[in-house]
Amino acid sequence: DIQMTQSPSSMSASLGDRVTITCQASQDIGNNLIWFQQKPGKSPRPMIYYATNLANGVPSRFSGSRSGSDYSLTISSLESEDMADYHCLQYKQYPYTFGAGTKLELK
Amino acid sequence: EVQLVESGGGLVKPGSSLKLSCVASGFTFSSYGMHWIRQAPKKGLEWIALIYYDSSNKYYADSVKGRFTISRDNSKNTLYLEMNSLRSEDTAMYYCAKRLSDYWGQGVMVTVSS
Repeated sequence: DIQMTQSPSSMSASLGDRVTITCQASQDIGNNLIWFQQKPGKSPRPMIYYATNLANGVPSRFSGSRSGSDYSLTISSLESEDMADYHCLQYKQYPYTFGAGTKLELK
Repeated sequence: EVQLVESGGGLVKPGSSLKLSCVASGFTFSSYGMHWIRQAPKKGLEWIALIYYDSSNKYYADSVKGRFTISRDNSKNTLYLEMNSLRSEDTAMYYCAKRLSDYWGQGVMVTVSS
């Protein structure tokens, strides 16, 4: 199975900060990666698909990038509504696998 | 408006069975593969199953293979997850999804406990 190593597991940041979360894939997944945002008691919300494409309705301060086997989600200027858990998912190969998640909190 | 509404969850004893349903509306259900994903309390997400639009192919996570069965009834716009030999570690919120990058349901809770 493809392992997705997500880091950090948690972080705190201030409003207006630039924030980056990373997932490293254990095998080549091409760009077959989705980033999700999940708020308490809610379903995951797709934010980025195919590694770099913004999902419908997602603010432009969110972006996705790839460098080799490392995939990153960046929030260019953190807003209070961005406090949430973030998850990555590879859908290159079955079984699809998620990263362990990142909890983003306000400093 | 796309809607996915899960149902059928509850509290069951280890070793028992349960069947979840996901009723879809707002899109052509018969044209899309559908997924089940779960999330144990305070834990990360786990993809557990996919069924193709025409039921021709099904894929499972190793943790549920042989115990869970995904199926669908396109005439009823409904996705199912039949869960047998339930274990405490199957306790989770179960979500259905139309294309993982697309729409997810609100989830249904399954608790396996004696």
